[in-house]
Amino acid sequence: KQEVTQIPAALSVPEGENLVLNCSFTDSAIYNLQWFRQDPGKGLTSLLLIQSSQREQTSGRLNASLDKSSGRSTLYIAASQPGDSATYLCAVGSNGNQFYFGTGTSLTVIP
Amino acid sequence: DTAVSQTPKYLVTQMGNDKSIKCEQNLGHDTMYWYKQDSKKFLKIMFSYNNKELIINETVPNRFSPKSPDKAHLNLHINSLELGDSAVYFCASSHGEKLFFGSGTQLSVL
Repeated sequence: KQEVTQIPAALSVPEGENLVLNCSFTDSAIYNLQWFRQDPGKGLTSLLLIQSSQREQTSGRLNASLDKSSGRSTLYIAASQPGDSATYLCAVGSNGNQFYFGTGTSLTVIP
Repeated sequence: DTAVSQTPKYLVTQMGNDKSIKCEQNLGHDTMYWYKQDSKKFLKIMFSYNNKELIINETVPNRFSPKSPDKAHLNLHINSLELGDSAVYFCASSHGEKLFFGSGTQLSVL
């Protein structure tokens, strides 16, 4: 069964810094990988979706990479802002519309 | 205009009661899900329906029963609520690969 882990569990950075969030998964037979953002008391908002055949996706200050063979994905956030403070979750898509979620990284960007 | 909407947003109830959470999506998606998020923020799949048919049923007590009257709706009924059922329940839908989530229902069992 797919297991997804995110490191670190929590991260605090000063505003303006670039940062990297990590996601690792145990089964490389994936269809895709998706990064989400969750604000306190809210649902999940999709940030980036990487297909299994792709290496990376970019949206604004966000860049997500995927290395299927090593079971890893990273989410790079450039020039962090206080508004980026949230919990970031990665989800691995397997066959049969199964999505396995990581444990999340709680990000705090200090003004 | 909300893509995936679930009600109620908050649900406070006594142990032993029966309650339902409703979910509707207006995205025309074929697949809908129920996820449970525990106090440590871990999201775990409970059920998945594709075109009104159950395709995923993870290890969930049979007190939890999903019902899909049509492709756009997936409701969750919970019998004999227990303290451990307290969590945030999220409905989601997908068409292909991307998941879209509702805003969650915070269930508190007293």
